[in-house]
Amino acid sequence: DSGVTQTPKHLITATGQRVTLRCSPRSGDLSVYWYQQSLDQGLQFLIQYYNGEERAKGNILERFSAQQFPDLHSELNLSSLELGDSALYFCASSVGADTYNSPLHFGNGTRLTVT
Amino acid sequence: DQQVKQNSPSLSVQEGRISILNCDYTNSMFDYFLWYKKYPAEGPTFLISISSIKDKNEDGRFTVFLNKSAKHLSLHIVPSQPGDSAVYFCAASAETSYDKVIFGPGTSLSVIP
Repeated sequence: DSGVTQTPKHLITATGQRVTLRCSPRSGDLSVYWYQQSLDQGLQFLIQYYNGEERAKGNILERFSAQQFPDLHSELNLSSLELGDSALYFCASSVGADTYNSPLHFGNGTRLTVT
Repeated sequence: DQQVKQNSPSLSVQEGRISILNCDYTNSMFDYFLWYKKYPAEGPTFLISISSIKDKNEDGRFTVFLNKSAKHLSLHIVPSQPGDSAVYFCAASAETSYDKVIFGPGTSLSVIP
């Protein structure tokens, strides 16, 4: 058990809809990262928050947004969903702000299916 | 443009033999490398890492080798066990680029009893 909790485990929704994925980081970790894993793809970095502030941005679509709350949990909001957004979405956490030299601790992911 | 490549999508090895998983990278700024293991329905878990100042790092049955000139690293598992069957992701980061770790597409290892 990594200590990172993601809810829900599965989500099925229709195109055009909006969903929210939730992540609680490991106790003591201040950074939260969101990754997307599509079929046969590696983990694509979306965005990082550190102690409530956006720290780094990756290949995140404008239809997607995220935030980290004062209790350090994070939410990833996906809107105007398209079939291609179907993927596994992972949240990870780490103690510090920098990913360099600091392994990430991953949750079990949320599988999103857009129909 | 894939900066971290794992050209073998899958690998099968007999129990007790050596498993060798390969990874290539293109960005010469990468100086820290990690391997993660992922079981079905679980998130990736950190396995082993290596800094560019080293060419080998060992942890029990797992050893990672780094060849900077070839921009190549490999993970050796000896001896392989059925419980090692999982997807292995190679990942890389650069101290000068603090923002993200780049993952490869993964190699699915099957250890046959």
